Amino acid sequence: QKEVEQNSGPLSVPEGAIASLNCTYSDRGSQSFFWYRQYSGKSPELIMSIYSNGDKEDGRFTAQLNKASQYVSLLIRDSQPSDSATYLCAVLMVRGSYIPTFGRGTSLIVHP
Amino acid sequence: DAGVIQSPRHEVTEMGQEVTLRCKPISGHNSLFWYRQTMMRGLELLIYFNNNVPIDDSGMPEDRFSAKMPNASFSTLKIQPSEPRDSAVYFCASSSMGNSPLHFGNGTRLTVT
Repeated sequence: QKEVEQNSGPLSVPEGAIASLNCTYSDRGSQSFFWYRQYSGKSPELIMSIYSNGDKEDGRFTAQLNKASQYVSLLIRDSQPSDSATYLCAVLMVRGSYIPTFGRGTSLIVHP
Repeated sequence: DAGVIQSPRHEVTEMGQEVTLRCKPISGHNSLFWYRQTMMRGLELLIYFNNNVPIDDSGMPEDRFSAKMPNASFSTLKIQPSEPRDSAVYFCASSSMGNSPLHFGNGTRLTVT
């Protein structure tokens, strides 16, 4: 089992719709979770951090965490073409110290 | 804050040559990470440092790769000799210690011919 798993996509949604991106992780002891956005040819950019079970909202973005199910998701409301990018899930796994482990990313396409 | 600074942005070299990638982390960040990104394997952690000390280099592919962090504001990743399969984008990232998120540099796109 991969440590952090994401559906590679592409996930295609119409402009204005809700995009739902999912991530599962293997280390039950993980405490910190991040979502990064990466445009083609650019570096990953942090968009959300979540540390506790439940939802965390920031503008059009909502991160959801369920540690019992080892599942974290990102919802993007009112999707815009500018949201088209690859979204990377990152989990801080404890291996003596904190090891940031990334999923392969989900490609999101928002079409007008 | 200037962010994480990497150089060069692009590097094209011939097989067998030495390649040195450079990174300046965000001031005050205690942890520094080197990642490699390819289409096939995604983002792979190569090595990371806490307070300039290498903590885990198990991701370094082989002895051709080495990394140093002589002080809190500078790190290098060296490949000697380089091979075509080393072609990738290499990212440096830094964070405060603990459970803080990583901040990435703009990356170095390496092409080995």
